[in-house]
Amino acid sequence: GAGVSQSPSNKVTEKGKDVELRCDPISGHTALYWYRQSLGQGLEFLIYFQGNSAPDKSGLPSDRFSAERTGGSVSTLTIQRTQQEDSAVYLCASSLSGGAFTEAFFGQGTRLTVV
Amino acid sequence: AQTVTQSQPEMSVQEAETVTLSCTYDTSESDYYLFWYKQPPSRQMILVIRQEAYKQQNATENRFSVNFQKAAKSFSLKISDSQLGDAAMYFCAYRSPRSQGNLIFGKGTKLSVKP
Repeated sequence: GAGVSQSPSNKVTEKGKDVELRCDPISGHTALYWYRQSLGQGLEFLIYFQGNSAPDKSGLPSDRFSAERTGGSVSTLTIQRTQQEDSAVYLCASSLSGGAFTEAFFGQGTRLTVV
Repeated sequence: AQTVTQSQPEMSVQEAETVTLSCTYDTSESDYYLFWYKQPPSRQMILVIRQEAYKQQNATENRFSVNFQKAAKSFSLKISDSQLGDAAMYFCAYRSPRSQGNLIFGKGTKLSVKP
């Protein structure tokens, strides 16, 4: 596709339920990132995938959060047993390579609301 | 750990005027990269401008320029000839070459443009 695509755009879930958020990166981009943006806050790094290397999971806030990237393309962020503090916008980004100066292209995010 | 601070939660500028958004950061590294991202209401983060710390010359992209003061750890964004479409949240971000996945963001500055 032309850009990073995320689905769903909005998700409302009940506390305690599991949710899956999807990210389709730009074709050919080897690096993929997930960030969380809480109301009034900046972006918080969650996880980073680069090619076939082991992902950098250092930003995941708890073991309820996990992510995978299948075939080096689509990524799914899963939140188990959702809590109200998980309510936020989840942004995915991809870049052509993992270089630190490389531009990251962002999707429009998924707004997750836990009620 | 590196931190990024944006001390202006909100700024306002008259159309066609110039505005400067402030950003300071804290790091013990000598080599790093700095970015300004724009986030309109659509939520999609868009790269505005970037700077490599080892370069003395300030980056410029059309109406956008930075004032990079390495010793002061300051990275301000100047927007000249402000346009209504510039209204958005602006985020300053830091990336270490040793942590390629992790962009560290400030909390953002909301810019309003008055016609």
